[in-house]
Amino acid sequence: DLVMTQSPLSLPVTPGEPASISCRSSQSLLYSNGYNYLDWYLQKPGQSPQLLIYLGSNRASGVPDRFSGSGSGTDFTLKISRVEAEDVGTYYCMEALQIPYSFGPGTKLEIK
Amino acid sequence: EVQLVESGGGLIQPGGSLRLSCVASGFTVSSNYMTWVRQAPGKGPEWVSVIYSGGNTYYADSVKGRFTISRDNSKNTVYLQMNNLRAEDTAVYYCARGDAPPGHYYYYMDVWGKGTTVTVSS
Repeated sequence: DLVMTQSPLSLPVTPGEPASISCRSSQSLLYSNGYNYLDWYLQKPGQSPQLLIYLGSNRASGVPDRFSGSGSGTDFTLKISRVEAEDVGTYYCMEALQIPYSFGPGTKLEIK
Repeated sequence: EVQLVESGGGLIQPGGSLRLSCVASGFTVSSNYMTWVRQAPGKGPEWVSVIYSGGNTYYADSVKGRFTISRDNSKNTVYLQMNNLRAEDTAVYYCARGDAPPGHYYYYMDVWGKGTTVTVSS
């Protein structure tokens, strides 16, 4: 199975400041069609996970444009341009190239 | 409104069985990749199983041979039959809708239920 890693695992951020989360895969997630099969999910406290980014860089419906995804192959980044209080939670990257899909360990974002 | 509602969780002894249900509204389960994801206490999510629109099913190695995913199109419901349960199966079980962008051999999970809790303990 693919192994996903993330850093940092904990991320304290001041509101209005940017934040960045790194995700790395043990194998390339770049499919033959040129797309990266990598998604980002956010799990807010006490809630179910919600889709943020799909195919590495596409925002899901309703996701604010302060969220952006980038990267290719084995290295990916989720960026929040200006963190807001409602962004608190744990962010997971997930590979969607091979079944069983694998989630990263998660990055817990907290407000300073 | 597009919605998923899980049920069927509870406290069960090791070796026991449970069947989880996931009732969908606002869309048709047979047209999507319906997935079960679980999350053990204090841990991250773990992908468990999927049933494709065409009926193919896939499982995580940790549940293969013990869990069975199925659906009832007439009830717009997806099930997860869990047999020979172990303590390590203790988790919140989420049902999620998988949607595939046109032309992609891939799906993302864009609708999630609130989950149902399974506790395996004697």
